[in-house]
Amino acid sequence: EDKVVQSPLSLVVHEGDTVTLNCSYEVTNFRSLLWYKQEKKAPTFLFMLTSSGIEKKSGRLSSILDKKELSSILNITATQTGDSAIYLCAVEGWHAGKSTFGDGTTLTVKP
Amino acid sequence: NAGVTQTPKFRVLKTGQSMTLLCAQDMNHEYMYWYRQDPGMGLRLIHYSVGEGTTAKGEVPDGYNVSRLKKQNFLLGLESAAPSQTSVYFCASSLTVNTEAFFGQGTRLTVV
Repeated sequence: EDKVVQSPLSLVVHEGDTVTLNCSYEVTNFRSLLWYKQEKKAPTFLFMLTSSGIEKKSGRLSSILDKKELSSILNITATQTGDSAIYLCAVEGWHAGKSTFGDGTTLTVKP
Repeated sequence: NAGVTQTPKFRVLKTGQSMTLLCAQDMNHEYMYWYRQDPGMGLRLIHYSVGEGTTAKGEVPDGYNVSRLKKQNFLLGLESAAPSQTSVYFCASSLTVNTEAFFGQGTRLTVV
């Protein structure tokens, strides 16, 4: 059975801190790993990673995939209260319907 | 450009009642998905569709049915609601497999 595990489950930091969120997976036929941010409602796309060692970056957020370790990290530097959200990791297989989500990491950034 | 729109946003059902959730997307996406999200958990795939007229079961399909009669719409039906179906339901669409998914705002369903 495919499995995606995110850690920590929740995290409380103060504005300005740097955080690292982890996602590890055990899936057959891995094709890509995606990160989403979920605020009050709909998840919104952050990154898609397919190749090991290539960092994707968007502003203060960055992510990298390690296929050897079957894991990915999402870094957020200089956190702001607007970064407070649930961060979801999803692993995609080669066919539709073969996506597995982790349980998410709830990040709270205090002023 | 509305993206993915779900209706209704909230609903309370009594056990045994039926209802249909509607998902509409205006991005001409081939793939559409229905997920449920329970507290402290990620998204679990209920059913999905790879194109008009096609549907397939996901991870947790029992108690649900779907239809995709038109490319832009994906309907999720509950024939006889049970308290275990209390959840937040998200619809999503994507252009192809393995591309980013666009999500609707969710439907909070409570079955009493």
